[in-house]
Amino acid sequence: EPEVTQTPSHQVTQMGQEVILRCVPISNHLYFYWYRQILGQKVEFLVSFYNNEISEKSEIFDDQFSVERPDGSNFTLKIRSTKLEDSAMYFCASSKVTGGTGELFFGEGSRLTVL
Amino acid sequence: QKEVEQNSGPLSVPEGAIASLNCTYSDRGSQSFFWYRQYSGKSPELIMFIYSNGDKEDGRFTAQLNKASQYVSLLIRDSQPSDSATYLCAVNIVSSGSARQLTFGSGTQLTVLP
Repeated sequence: EPEVTQTPSHQVTQMGQEVILRCVPISNHLYFYWYRQILGQKVEFLVSFYNNEISEKSEIFDDQFSVERPDGSNFTLKIRSTKLEDSAMYFCASSKVTGGTGELFFGEGSRLTVL
Repeated sequence: QKEVEQNSGPLSVPEGAIASLNCTYSDRGSQSFFWYRQYSGKSPELIMFIYSNGDKEDGRFTAQLNKASQYVSLLIRDSQPSDSATYLCAVNIVSSGSARQLTFGSGTQLTVLP
């Protein structure tokens, strides 16, 4: 069964360092997303991406964050200068249909620990 | 502010019983409603989705939606210990018909006791 894959599964970094989290969405999906979940808190929307551009972004997704689809398969989230509060599980997701009622499929997540 | 509210629990039910999970949402523009299951340290896994008022059944799971009351629920029949997890309610508003942003509740922790 097709699945969303994410790497790395866990990354530890020093505050102020740049981090890139990578995702391979399901191949025939059109929409890509990043969500995050701070330990013990809600899953929060960060950004959605369609047709090689950002469709929506939340207040969390500030200038320190960027997304890119560098080739036909990968979808990346970059955090330029990590802060302690960026420590969280980051989930990539993808969906197939345009608007309407398609469901999101989540990857297993990348746990980011900022020291 | 778009809110999705759930009782955090924990909710404990004996094996074989019906577990009832509830969710309310604040934005009347919400169009699609999802229940995800999340095991500790894992990603959300879609259990069911519902778009129309009424009930939708899938195996042991039934989702119920009442848009007038802004209420959605999930019933799990014949609960099994393997159902023990946190259940996340998520809703979305379709923005410009081109993308989907889910707003999640904080989840209800369910424990099924053997």
